[in-house]
Amino acid sequence: GAVVSQHPSRVICKSGTSVKIECRSLDFQATTMFWYRQFPKQSLMLMATSNEGSKATYEQGVEKDKFLINHASLTLSTLTVTSAHPEDSSFYICSGLTSGGPQETQYFGPGTRLLVL
Amino acid sequence: AQSVAQPEDQVNVAEGNPLTVKCTYSVSGNPYLFWYVQYPNRGLQFLLKYITGDNLVKGSYGFEAEFNKSQTSFHLKKPSALVSDSALYFCAVRGALGFNKFYFGSGTKLNVKP
Repeated sequence: GAVVSQHPSRVICKSGTSVKIECRSLDFQATTMFWYRQFPKQSLMLMATSNEGSKATYEQGVEKDKFLINHASLTLSTLTVTSAHPEDSSFYICSGLTSGGPQETQYFGPGTRLLVL
Repeated sequence: AQSVAQPEDQVNVAEGNPLTVKCTYSVSGNPYLFWYVQYPNRGLQFLLKYITGDNLVKGSYGFEAEFNKSQTSFHLKKPSALVSDSALYFCAVRGALGFNKFYFGSGTKLNVKP
């Protein structure tokens, strides 16, 4: 299957600082990438859909000024958590969507554990 | 509207026994269905998908899933469970063609005991 990487895998930061998470599709081009947030023992919550070369589409209730998404190339999307607070602590997972009509499939990165102190 | 339901929060099975993880779906139009597995502190791994064709879909690690249109179900199965299969399993449905958002179920924790 297709491979997606995320960096960093874990990050601890102080409240008020910004954190950038990178998501890369390693062996395919992802016109579309997704960013999810997952709380302990819960399902994935879609935060935003990121399309290469255009603005991200945010889900209802997700602050676009707090969670900045940039999809500058077909293999890289970044999520920046600005002015992070303890309530932003979570597991963030990205995915890339393979192209190809009905066969489109999401492949996920390994996730980034964010802890805001 | 697209949605999936995983009615069981947890499934317990003994090693060597068959396992089933249930999923039902609701879609407008043709369903595009997926199963993913998540190990602790990891992202999701793709297991298998149903797009069209045979109702029985075979995937990674010996898993298979049966698409049942009349029951709107897409249950995940494996003939003989392994302890290493213990993980969190997510069913997902993709929106109609042209809408690439995926809708995930709440997840089912599979516990395989030796």
